Amino acid sequence: GAGVSQTPSNKVTEKGKYVELRCDPISGHTALYWYRQSLGQGPEFLIYFQGTGAADDSGLPNDRFFAVRPEGSVSTLKIQRTERGDSAVYLCASSRDRGSGQFFGPGTRLTVL
Amino acid sequence: KQEVTQIPAALSVPEGENLVLNCSFTDSAIYNLQWFRQDPGKGLTSLLLIQSSQREQTSGRLNASLDKSSGRSTLYIAASQPGDSATYLCAVSLSSGSARQLTFGSGTQLTVLP
Repeated sequence: GAGVSQTPSNKVTEKGKYVELRCDPISGHTALYWYRQSLGQGPEFLIYFQGTGAADDSGLPNDRFFAVRPEGSVSTLKIQRTERGDSAVYLCASSRDRGSGQFFGPGTRLTVL
Repeated sequence: KQEVTQIPAALSVPEGENLVLNCSFTDSAIYNLQWFRQDPGKGLTSLLLIQSSQREQTSGRLNASLDKSSGRSTLYIAASQPGDSATYLCAVSLSSGSARQLTFGSGTQLTVLP
């Protein structure tokens, strides 16, 4: 595609609910990253995929967070038992390979009430 | 742990001025450094990418320099315009590790007054 796309653009949910956030990377990009951005801060790394496998999930805050990329393209970030502290903008980025420049999607703004 | 600092946090300048945004990082063993622009409520737009072996990159009115040994980068914007108003983020990736994930500063919020 022309760029990285993310859906939904906004998600409002209640505390304790389960949410899924989707990322569609640039076609042909093998590396995919998820970041989380809180208000007034720079994005923080969550997880990295090279192809289908999660090569580095060291940024995931706890085991309520999980992400998949089953076919090496689209990725889904899954958050179980959401908490108010999970409210943030979730950004996805892709790059041609792990050493190339990263291109970001518009983000999903998650609000947990 | 890599830490990235951007100074100033906010900057307001009149249209036409040349300006410099600063970025510093604590671990000089970087793989590359990227400058991004973020408009309110939007994602990040990549402006310039500097590999660790490079000293600078230029794109139009933008010039980014890298001094890896001192842990510093600057973004120079020439002849600023109101459309340049945005938050500018600096990010580095380390040469160690497999992910090459980016570590970001908190950004400099730039306002260019007409």
